[in-house]
Amino acid sequence: AQKITQTQPGMFVQEKEAVTLDCTYDTSDQSYGLFWYKQPSSGEMIFLIYQGSYDEQNATEGRYSLNFQKARKSANLVISASQLGDSAMYFCAMRPSGYSTLTFGKGTMLLVSP
Amino acid sequence: KAGVTQTPRYLIKTRGQQVTLSCSPISGHRSVSWYQQTPGQGLQFLFEYFSETQRNKGNFPGRFSGRQFSNSRSEMNVSTLELGDSALYLCASSGGLAGASSTDTQYFGPGTRLTVL
Repeated sequence: AQKITQTQPGMFVQEKEAVTLDCTYDTSDQSYGLFWYKQPSSGEMIFLIYQGSYDEQNATEGRYSLNFQKARKSANLVISASQLGDSAMYFCAMRPSGYSTLTFGKGTMLLVSP
Repeated sequence: KAGVTQTPRYLIKTRGQQVTLSCSPISGHRSVSWYQQTPGQGLQFLFEYFSETQRNKGNFPGRFSGRQFSNSRSEMNVSTLELGDSALYLCASSGGLAGASSTDTQYFGPGTRLTVL
């Protein structure tokens, strides 16, 4: 079984600052994928970034980067230069290779202030 | 390329009724997964369909069922609705590569918000 832990229920950041959202995971699988999704108040889950367990480099997608520390089983999301539109719930999720099911954390609510 | 679409967006039902939700995946995607999101339980996996066959199933009662058509569109049905079924139901599609590689990203629709009175 997989488990995702997001310990920060809410985070506040000022516009243009960087913010790190924490995610730790627990799995006995050797091959797996880690994902971050953003959910605005409208409800739609928006895919942000993916990291494979065998990827040696940390994933980056524009202002998003994933700080992957395999030994510590952590996959923190870093958002650089926060924007007001970044205010949303952020979910960390994982899936082992061979399965389609995503296991999600409880989420972190990010509020960006002007 | 059009994204995942879900209909209806909002639904109000009463206890004991049944409901059918629809999901149209991204063109070319063969896998459709359904998730239930509630404030108390968070996001929980319901089931996944691939090429018209249920490939995986979450821990939900038999009142929750689904199916997938030959064009990959999927429907989810909940019978004998209970108050606790009030939730946001999210559908996600992916290529569904053989073996469901960990790189097979799921893309979500806008969800159907079901309220049971």
